[in-house]
Amino acid sequence: DVKVTQSSRYLVKRTGEKVFLECVQDMDHENMFWYRQDPGLGLRLIYFSYDVKMKEKGDIPEGYSVSREKKERFSLILESASTNQTSMYLCASRPFRQAGLTEAFFGQGTRLTVV
Amino acid sequence: QKEVEQNSGPLSVPEGAIASLNCTYSDRGSQSFFWYRQYSGKSPELIMFIYSNGDKEDGRFTAQLNKASQYVSLLIRDSQPSDSATYLCAVAIQAGTALIFGKGTTLSVSS
Repeated sequence: DVKVTQSSRYLVKRTGEKVFLECVQDMDHENMFWYRQDPGLGLRLIYFSYDVKMKEKGDIPEGYSVSREKKERFSLILESASTNQTSMYLCASRPFRQAGLTEAFFGQGTRLTVV
Repeated sequence: QKEVEQNSGPLSVPEGAIASLNCTYSDRGSQSFFWYRQYSGKSPELIMFIYSNGDKEDGRFTAQLNKASQYVSLLIRDSQPSDSATYLCAVAIQAGTALIFGKGTTLSVSS
């Protein structure tokens, strides 16, 4: 079975802190994603990566950065956490196929609270 | 900005009925479409995906795709209380690399 593991299930951080959310997948998938999920707003794409050291902005990249130094690991960084970044963060991975005919597998999510 | 639209619901159906969930998308170049189910407090899990016009059936679930109308739907036959969840429609963009999601439709099946 594909496994996507996020480093923390719950996290509480203070405003202004630098926050790292880690995600590891064990299926050699090329593509990895970070989403945030908020009530009424659904799943919104923050950043994605299609290869090591490659990254693309999603719909809401402001206030975030990412790092992909190894194929299996994709990190989301909040440079200076703010209360409006309190949310559920979901990591996903997906193998590459032509025309995107593959599913994305999700991690268990990290509930981040910024106080 | 590419968009995926769904009615938020809630959609309420009695046990044994057919539930119909709908989704429209803005990017005409999209080629693959996904339906995910998400239980409260859990991560999304794939129900099925479709890429050809027409119907695709998997057990009690049927996905329908109409690319000309930019419309994809999910039918759940013989709905069960365990089908009560939020259903997310997703579309592959960026040459199929990224998935963007609708806001989801909440389904409630009463026994």
